[in-house]
Amino acid sequence: GENVEQHPSTLSVQEGDSAVIKCTYSDSASNYFPWYKQELGKGPQLIIDIRSNVGEKKDQRIAVTLNKTAKHFSLHITETQPEDSAVYFCAASKGGYQKVTFGIGTKLQVIP
Amino acid sequence: GAGVSQSPSNKVTEKGKDVELRCDPISGHTALYWYRQSLGQGLEFLIYFQGNSAPDKSGLPSDRFSAERTGGSVSTLTIQRTQQEDSAVYLCASRTDTGELFFGEGSRLTVL
Repeated sequence: GENVEQHPSTLSVQEGDSAVIKCTYSDSASNYFPWYKQELGKGPQLIIDIRSNVGEKKDQRIAVTLNKTAKHFSLHITETQPEDSAVYFCAASKGGYQKVTFGIGTKLQVIP
Repeated sequence: GAGVSQSPSNKVTEKGKDVELRCDPISGHTALYWYRQSLGQGLEFLIYFQGNSAPDKSGLPSDRFSAERTGGSVSTLTIQRTQQEDSAVYLCASRTDTGELFFGEGSRLTVL
């Protein structure tokens, strides 16, 4: 089955700096790669996703890149703010209503 | 409500007792997923339901775990003869046809 590895497990950045989280996946048939943000005591919430027919997608301060050949994808957050502090999960799926496999999560701390 | 609703939000039980966790998905979402999140760990897939298809139970950790979904809506996750290692947050999510998972806030289970 699919295996998603994520790193780093923790990340501290100064407010205003950029943060990058990287993930790799094992199943070349995966074609849908979402990123979720989980705040304390809440369920994860989708922040951005990318499908295998594109290499990069941006939404304001957040961007995701995908390299299907290398089977890795990354989340980039620019101009970080304290409210970006949370746990971020990457995930991979074959699309449709298939199982969604998550990485172990990255705890991001933005220091004011 | 508009979101995924889970109950109870917190459950403390004694080792060996059975517990039931309930999930009420977003109306109209045909796919429903259960995940387990242990302290400091990622999201471990347990089971998912899609329409009238047979559920994918490949993530259930033992035969003490079972789940059902009645009428294509509400789902119940049952853990029999609970063990201390079952202590975790159990998250339910329903999924749109574009792939986005909408998570509930979880049920925190503590087995003493």
